[in-house]
Amino acid sequence: GAGVSQSPSNKVTEKGKDVELRCDPISGHTALYWYRQSLGQGLEFLIYFQGNSAPDKSGLPSDRFSAERTGGSVSTLTIQRTQQEDSAVYLCASSTGTASNQPQHFGDGTRLSIL
Amino acid sequence: QKEVEQNSGPLSVPEGAIASLNCTYSDRVSQSFFWYRQYSGKSPELIMSIYSNGDKEDGRFTAQLNKASQYVSLLIRDSQPSDSATYLCAAYNAGNMLTFGGGTRLMVKP
Repeated sequence: GAGVSQSPSNKVTEKGKDVELRCDPISGHTALYWYRQSLGQGLEFLIYFQGNSAPDKSGLPSDRFSAERTGGSVSTLTIQRTQQEDSAVYLCASSTGTASNQPQHFGDGTRLSIL
Repeated sequence: QKEVEQNSGPLSVPEGAIASLNCTYSDRVSQSFFWYRQYSGKSPELIMSIYSNGDKEDGRFTAQLNKASQYVSLLIRDSQPSDSATYLCAAYNAGNMLTFGGGTRLMVKP
């Protein structure tokens, strides 16, 4: 079975440009999470989606960050007017639900570099 | 105080030894705990889950949970150089969010 798929695997862009990162969760997983991990640092929670409920956006660092999830499956994380401090690995994870016994399974991440 | 705390390490052990990784959590209502392994430049990989007090064994890995003392540990027996990685502890909090510790870097020396 396919795992969590993220694209692109690497993205290099100039400061000020907008970027879109994509995540395709494991089939049947209703919960989807985005994290950011800077070099040598821990995981920073950004946003999560559960089914058709309103997403928990409490971790988004600024209004330049937004995410959507269409049809309860694929999710796109958008960063507008990128800054150099946005450089990090962006990880997506999915789980079968938000019941507090479900592990999250991670994709390989998108390594974002802002020049 | 962070919700899930780990010593950042590095923890250095010789090949063949037992590596002991520890984690404490602050939310008493946490019921589910996970250990992830993350190789440098890679994404976290789930290796163990534990929900009940006591030990849970899976191959060379043993997870231990003590809810009264609010700690979780991971033992790796017969450590191999290929076990060298960062190990992340995670726990669900009262808000049903999976919270990660900062990770412990393990180095197994041949």
